[in-house]
Amino acid sequence: EVVLTQSPATLSLSPGERATLSCRASQSVTNYLTWYQQKPGQAPRLLIYSASNRATGIPARFTGSGSGTDFTLTISSLEPEDFALYYCQQHSNGLTFGGGSRVEIK
Amino acid sequence: QVQLQESGPRLVKPSETLSLKCSVSGDSIIGGYYWGWIRQPPGKGLEWIGNIHQSGNTDYNPSLKSRVTISFDMSKNHYSLNLSSVTAADTAFYYCARVFRRGYRFGSFDPWGQGTLVTVSS
Repeated sequence: EVVLTQSPATLSLSPGERATLSCRASQSVTNYLTWYQQKPGQAPRLLIYSASNRATGIPARFTGSGSGTDFTLTISSLEPEDFALYYCQQHSNGLTFGGGSRVEIK
Repeated sequence: QVQLQESGPRLVKPSETLSLKCSVSGDSIIGGYYWGWIRQPPGKGLEWIGNIHQSGNTDYNPSLKSRVTISFDMSKNHYSLNLSSVTAADTAFYYCARVFRRGYRFGSFDPWGQGTLVTVSS
């Protein structure tokens, strides 16, 4: 099983600041890496697929990068609606999710 | 626009079978996509349960495989999840979702249903 480790568990930032979230895989997943955003009481929302492709309607402030075992989700300038949970998911070998990273208001 | 909606009992007794249905509107479930189930215990992370395709192909999470069955009802445009011998550890929000790209056995999920909380308790 491919284990995805997300860090940090919690990131405390202010609106307008830059957020950098990490997802590390226990083995190479090439670019089969997805990022989701989840808000309380809601289903996850697709943000980034194939490591770096924004899904339809996702603002340009969200950027995915990386390949192999190390991936990053960057939010260039946090908007109030961006404070949420973020999960990565791989589908290179089966399908697994990371444990999540929370972006909270400082 | 494709929409998914989970339905089924919200309370299941230990050792019994959890059964949920995912009703799909705005698209046919025999349109070549894979369809999945994902769960999330309250306050915890996401866990993939399994996927199904119109061909009958299924893939299951190895940790749940012995207890999971996912099936189609093509005439009613829905698919179902059965999870047997449940325990309190199976208490979770259960989501159905479509694999993002047509024909991809595994992939990103989009869209998702709103989810339904199933509690396992006597």
